[in-house]
Amino acid sequence: DVKVTQSSRYLVKRTGEKVFLECVQDMDHENMFWYRQDPGLGLRLIYFSYDVKMKEKGDIPEGYSVSREKKERFSLILESASTNQTSMYLCASLPSGKETQYFGPGTRLLVL
Amino acid sequence: LAKTTQPISMDSYEGQEVNITCSHNNIATNDYITWYQQFPSQGPRFIIQGYKTKVTNEVASLFIPADRKSSTLSLPRVSLSDTAVYYCLVGDRNTGFQKLVFGTGTRLLVSP
Repeated sequence: DVKVTQSSRYLVKRTGEKVFLECVQDMDHENMFWYRQDPGLGLRLIYFSYDVKMKEKGDIPEGYSVSREKKERFSLILESASTNQTSMYLCASLPSGKETQYFGPGTRLLVL
Repeated sequence: LAKTTQPISMDSYEGQEVNITCSHNNIATNDYITWYQQFPSQGPRFIIQGYKTKVTNEVASLFIPADRKSSTLSLPRVSLSDTAVYYCLVGDRNTGFQKLVFGTGTRLLVSP
């Protein structure tokens, strides 16, 4: 079974803090994604990566950055957290040549 | 950008068949149609995928008419545990992951 893990299920941070969300997958997938999910808005793509050190912007990259130094790990960084970044963050991975994404359990971030 | 439209919510009773229709009028020739299921506090998980006609697996069936402008997810004899949000998305990974738009999904509530 594919396993995608996220470093925290719940996180509380203060406005202006730098926040790191970590995602690790154990199936050697080339592609990894970060989404945020908000009530009434569904899942929105923030960033994705199709290889180590490669990244592409999704629909809502503003206020976020990412890092992919190793194939199995994809990090989402909030340089200076703001209250409008309070959300559920979901990481996913996808093997090359396939269309099915595998999701982690999510991190619920609250920015005060 | 292939956009999808689904009902916001649906109600059903245990043992009934549930059909959730998704509209995707501007689906492209190379796009696949994929459905995901999401339970509260979990990431989405893959249910079924198709390109045309009918696809069936142990969980659901997917009906796609010849023009491919819509698709219907069919859940036979639902149980309480099928209460979840169901997402339809269309996309072709070869033209960019930005096309894998999840949308807001359909919230299915199954009652006793």
